[in-house]
Amino acid sequence: QPVLTQPTSLSASPGASARFTCTLRSGINVGTYRIYWYQQKPGSLPRYLLRYKSDSDKQQGSGVPSRFSGSKDASTNAGLLLISGLQSEDEADYYCAIWYSSTLVFGGGTKLTVL
Amino acid sequence: QVQLVQSGAEVKKPGASVKVSCKASGYTFTGYYMHWVRQAPGQGLEWMGRINPNSGGTNYAQKFQGRVTMTRDTSISTAYMELSRLRSDDTAVYYCARASIVVGSANDYWGQGTLVTVSS
Repeated sequence: QPVLTQPTSLSASPGASARFTCTLRSGINVGTYRIYWYQQKPGSLPRYLLRYKSDSDKQQGSGVPSRFSGSKDASTNAGLLLISGLQSEDEADYYCAIWYSSTLVFGGGTKLTVL
Repeated sequence: QVQLVQSGAEVKKPGASVKVSCKASGYTFTGYYMHWVRQAPGQGLEWMGRINPNSGGTNYAQKFQGRVTMTRDTSISTAYMELSRLRSDDTAVYYCARASIVVGSANDYWGQGTLVTVSS
């Protein structure tokens, strides 16, 4: 089982909100980790969006709008990326990552379609 | 402004080695780790390892141990990633990405990527 699991795809309408999940493998407690989120548009390099561990340990990437935010769901052992007020330009792949056993591990990514 | 400029695309035969460079500018080179991340065609991101340009210390993903070597030349603010014994499944875009040496820092600036194609 992978360390991080992300749904392959997500669809949402312009103006709506999107909720991305990044589920940590059983036995790896989400509460312990900083979750990093990256956005990658087609043909472009990855862009750092934000980091979230708790409300007192979080960081927004430079120039990243506040409609991008992070959270956690302890009940499902998942990190969350929330995007409100979706725009067509948000259509991209979204990757989560954590430092696990001295290795930076990426999730498989979720493709967001805004339709 | 921060820039990471990588070397150009490479075509290599199976079994060969490739060395990709990443020239940094606009910041203090020794104050940031340099990470290497690759992305196979149509696939996700895969971390290969990182180097501390100040000390030269490295840590590599287990998958690449024994095949990857990361080095740096602080006099020209350039990091290098060499991958040996190439296979066809090493065909990917290779990115360098910096991250502050402050614990918990993210990869905030990325190079433009270098396409490495492994084909006989």
